[in-house]
Amino acid sequence: EAQVTQNPRYLITVTGKKLTVTCSQNMNHEYMSWYRQDPGLGLRQIYYSMNVEVTDKGDVPEGYKVSRKEKRNFPLILESPSPNQTSLYFCASSPKGSYNEQFFGPGTRLTVL
Amino acid sequence: LAKTTQPISMDSYEGQEVNITCSHNNIATNDYITWYQQFPSQGPRFIIQGYKTKVTNEVASLFIPADRKSSTLSLPRVSLSDTAVYYCLVGEGASGGSYIPTFGRGTSLIVHP
Repeated sequence: EAQVTQNPRYLITVTGKKLTVTCSQNMNHEYMSWYRQDPGLGLRQIYYSMNVEVTDKGDVPEGYKVSRKEKRNFPLILESPSPNQTSLYFCASSPKGSYNEQFFGPGTRLTVL
Repeated sequence: LAKTTQPISMDSYEGQEVNITCSHNNIATNDYITWYQQFPSQGPRFIIQGYKTKVTNEVASLFIPADRKSSTLSLPRVSLSDTAVYYCLVGEGASGGSYIPTFGRGTSLIVHP
């Protein structure tokens, strides 16, 4: 089944404790991205990757890191999480030539205390 | 990417046709128009995409006038399960340079029995 998976789905952590949210897709897509969704603010892009080893900032990259060592994986790293990073996070992927048609993962709900 | 404007919310009843209009006055020549649907606590789901005139699939129709400064997503005979947030995006989505989609706040559609 074609899908985008994220882990964990739910995470409660404390300020300053490094964490990684994994994202994997099995559709051989070139484009992958991370979004956060907050009430009243809609979906905002954090980082994106056009292909392996090619990453760039989206609209709200502060406090986040990403890497794209393999085509299928695109982890989101929070080196020192803060309470303002409490949010619902989505990973997405789309194929080359049709970046508009993104497939989204199920989401990761993160709470930073 | 071109900015889009959509109504914040709409109400309808089961069995009715729903039309959601999106304004994108600054759409570029190579831009496509894409619509997504999002249920609470789930990732957005691609619905339909078009460039001009009319596009129809098993879920919806997309009407784009000749000047392409707006588009209308048409949902035929809605049911309660169509209650969701609908996002309109405008962008090229095919080049290899970069792709930073702007989802905005979308239109919250509520379908009543």
